[in-house]
Amino acid sequence: GAGVSQSPRYKVAKRGQDVALRCDPISGHVSLFWYQQALGQGPEFLTYFQNEAQLDKSGLPSDRFFAERPEGSVSTLKIQRTQQEDSAVYLCASSLSGSSTDTQYFGPGTRLTVL
Amino acid sequence: AQSVTQPDIHITVSEGASLELRCNYSYGATPYLFWYVQSPGQGLQLLLKYFSGDTLVQGIKGFEAEFKRSQSSFNLRKPSVHWSDAAEYFCAVGARGGGADGLTFGKGTHLIIQP
Repeated sequence: GAGVSQSPRYKVAKRGQDVALRCDPISGHVSLFWYQQALGQGPEFLTYFQNEAQLDKSGLPSDRFFAERPEGSVSTLKIQRTQQEDSAVYLCASSLSGSSTDTQYFGPGTRLTVL
Repeated sequence: AQSVTQPDIHITVSEGASLELRCNYSYGATPYLFWYVQSPGQGLQLLLKYFSGDTLVQGIKGFEAEFKRSQSSFNLRKPSVHWSDAAEYFCAVGARGGGADGLTFGKGTHLIIQP
C-alpha cells in the first residue's frame, strides 16, 4: 500500500514569505507527527495529532509555526514569515493508533530552503 | 528530559566486516528504543525496536540490537555489512506510557562502506 507522502518535496522561499507543507498519512492512521531535521542533525519533534486533535505542540519553535489536521487525515504545517534558520527538512510520520508502541512510518520529507 | 547520544558521527567499515553502532540514552526509566535508517532522499525506515522482554532484538536487513540497562545503551550490530548498508543511522527513544508522542532522536551516525 501507499506510504506517507509529502508535498512539495522541495521548497525555496524568500525570507519573510509564508509556506505551507502538506502531509498525506497512511490511510486509516490515527496519529500524525511532524519533525524538523536540520542539516547534519537528527529529527526533532515539532507536534503530534491524534485524529484532528493536536495533543502536543511543545516542539514548535515559535508562534510562526502552525499545524492543522482538520479532518483527521491530511495535515498542513504552515510557517509564517520564514527565516533562514527555518531551512531544514520537514518530516511527517504516521502511526496506526494512539499507542506509544506503534511504529511511526515516515514520509520522504520536504526540504525547505529560505534565502 | 530524555536524550540520546550517538558518539560516532562517521564510521567506515569494509564490505563483509562486522558493524557496531553505539547509542546511549538518558531517561528516568526504561524507555522504548528504536533504530531507524535514512538513505539519501528517502524517509526514515524502522530497523528494529525494543519495548520489553528479551534484551537482544532482531530487526530487518540482518540487524540486531542489544539493550543493556546497566550501561544505558542500545547498540546496533550486523555481522557482515553490504555496500547497500551505507546510510545514516539514527537511534531514538520514546516515552513509556499509554499514549503516542514524539520520539527523541540522536544526531545520527553516517556509515561508509569501503570495498
